[in-house]
Amino acid sequence: DSGVTQTPKHLITATGQRVTLRCSPRSGDLSVYWYQQSLDQGLQFLIQYYNGEERAKGNILERFSAQQFPDLHSELNLSSLELGDSALYFCASSVAGDGHLRGQYFGPGTRLTVT
Amino acid sequence: KNQVEQSPQSLIILEGKNCTLQCNYTVSPFSNLRWYKQDTGRGPVSLTIMTFSENTKSNGRYTATLDADTKQSSLHITASQLSDSASYICVGTLKSPQLLHEKLTFGTGTRLTIIP
Repeated sequence: DSGVTQTPKHLITATGQRVTLRCSPRSGDLSVYWYQQSLDQGLQFLIQYYNGEERAKGNILERFSAQQFPDLHSELNLSSLELGDSALYFCASSVAGDGHLRGQYFGPGTRLTVT
Repeated sequence: KNQVEQSPQSLIILEGKNCTLQCNYTVSPFSNLRWYKQDTGRGPVSLTIMTFSENTKSNGRYTATLDADTKQSSLHITASQLSDSASYICVGTLKSPQLLHEKLTFGTGTRLTIIP
């Protein structure tokens, strides 16, 4: 158990809908990262938040948005869903300024299926 | 362009045998090289993290090597077990003075299957 929690575990929804994925980082971690992993694909970095502020942006679509709240949990919002958005969405957290030594800790992921 | 390439794409070996997975990276400015193990449908778990000055690091039956000159890394698994069946992901990390945090570049992984 990495200490990072994600909800829900599974999500099935229809095209055009909007969903929200939730992540709680490890206690003490200030950075939260979101990744997308499609079937047989590598992890694609979406976005990073540090202490409530957006820190880095990766290949995140305009239909997607995220935020980090004062209690440091984060939400990833996916809207106007398409079939191609079906994937595993991982959240990871790290200790700010110490991440390169201890690495990132990943949550169990949310499996999104768009039908 | 920052890239991480892994080989082979997939590998099947008999239980008890050793194997070596390869990773070539072009990540600049280089900060560290990581190996993760990812079981199917689960989040990646960190195996090793190596900085520029480290050329080998072990974690149980896993031993990672790093050659900063050739920009190559390998992950050697000794006496494989059925539970080693997973994807192994190599990650190159860069950090520049302009970046407050590191940027990770993920390889697509090597899918390892251990058969009894």
